[in-house]
Amino acid sequence: GAGVSQSPSNKVTEKGKDVELRCDPISGHTALYWYRQSLGQGLEFLIYFQGNSAPDKSGLPSDRFSAERTGGSVSTLTIQRTQQEDSAVYLCASRFEITDTQYFGPGTRLTVL
Amino acid sequence: GENVEQHPSTLSVQEGDSAVIKCTYSDSASNYFPWYKQELGKRPQLIIDIRSNVGEKKDQRIAVTLNKTAKHFSLHITETQPEDSAVYFCAARDSNYQLIWGAGTKLIIKP
Repeated sequence: GAGVSQSPSNKVTEKGKDVELRCDPISGHTALYWYRQSLGQGLEFLIYFQGNSAPDKSGLPSDRFSAERTGGSVSTLTIQRTQQEDSAVYLCASRFEITDTQYFGPGTRLTVL
Repeated sequence: GENVEQHPSTLSVQEGDSAVIKCTYSDSASNYFPWYKQELGKRPQLIIDIRSNVGEKKDQRIAVTLNKTAKHFSLHITETQPEDSAVYFCAARDSNYQLIWGAGTKLIIKP
């Protein structure tokens, strides 16, 4: 079946602009995670959605970052007033409710000029 | 909360030799430990995982061992090949179904 998809694959923006990144999880997966990965670095947790529960936002680095998940499926990560340090690959992952495996999307490479 | 440490950060081995990557965790309640492989420019992909009710699991050239008492788990790759070159991440699942990640190990296979 289809895996996790993300769009756009690449995004170049100017400092101060807002960006929206989209994640389409695997159908039926109730858990969705956003991570950030800077060049040559590890996986930095951002936010976690589980079903209808309140999301775990503990990893969001500032109030410029927000995310929502509509209808328990598609999720959008929004970064307002982008800064150069926001440049990274943003990865989305989804997980079926009764398993532990997270499946990653291909990521969105964000470049802030 | 859970904390995962991973060593070494870089590992260079001769093709055909074995590679071992080690991780330690802090929360004794953790019971699921996956390993992901990330090739350059690609997404992380699960290569093997282990649950706390077993001590070892193998899949062809890859094996993972778990020592619950010492709170550490290791990835073993035998007969390494050029396509094994990648960054490997270990993780431990916490009580909120979040994966706490290690910092990653860059594995270099020398021809």
